[in-house]
Amino acid sequence: GAGVSQTPSNKVTEKGKYVELRCDPISGHTALYWYRQSLGQGPEFLIYFQGTGAADDSGLPNDRFFAVRPEGSVSTLKIQRTERGDSAVYLCASSSAGGPTTDTQYFGPGTRLTVL
Amino acid sequence: AQKITQTQPGMFVQEKEAVTLDCTYDTSDQSYGLFWYKQPSSGEMIFLIYQGSYDEQNATEGRYSLNFQKARKSANLVISASQLGDSAMYFCAMRERNTDKLIFGTGTRLQVFP
Repeated sequence: GAGVSQTPSNKVTEKGKYVELRCDPISGHTALYWYRQSLGQGPEFLIYFQGTGAADDSGLPNDRFFAVRPEGSVSTLKIQRTERGDSAVYLCASSSAGGPTTDTQYFGPGTRLTVL
Repeated sequence: AQKITQTQPGMFVQEKEAVTLDCTYDTSDQSYGLFWYKQPSSGEMIFLIYQGSYDEQNATEGRYSLNFQKARKSANLVISASQLGDSAMYFCAMRERNTDKLIFGTGTRLQVFP
């Protein structure tokens, strides 16, 4: 079946602009995660959804970052007033349940965001 | 303190040989999960193998096996019979009890040469 998809694959924007990044999880997966990967680093957690609600948003760096998942499937990560330091690859992952340590997260190909 | 440590920034291995990628972790939880992911140059994170803290046997998945030493808090990935397509970044990650996020190490770049 189809894996996690993310659009766009690349996004170039100017400092101060607003961007939206989209994630379409594996069908039937109730848990959805956003991570950010800076160059030369491992992914860092941003936010986790269980269904429609954000169960853990402790990784969001500041209030310029916001994410929604209104119908419990597709999620959108929104970044306001982008800064050059926001440049990174934004990865989305989904899993079938969330919670237990056994639950495997499957990742999408990521969106590479470049803020000029 | 780093929760996941991968001390090898880069590793080289000849095709058909075995290679071990190191990972140590730090947690006070008794229940946790350890994961290895592969990230080719295309950027997608590919799940390879999982080890639970209570699993008595080392996990194996095809050519991948996990050398789990709980007392030493290490979870090294062993790739047997390396192939050119194994060239990629490899990340170790941990998921602690009562949390849903993965904590990743900084990764090891593996290069397989003919």
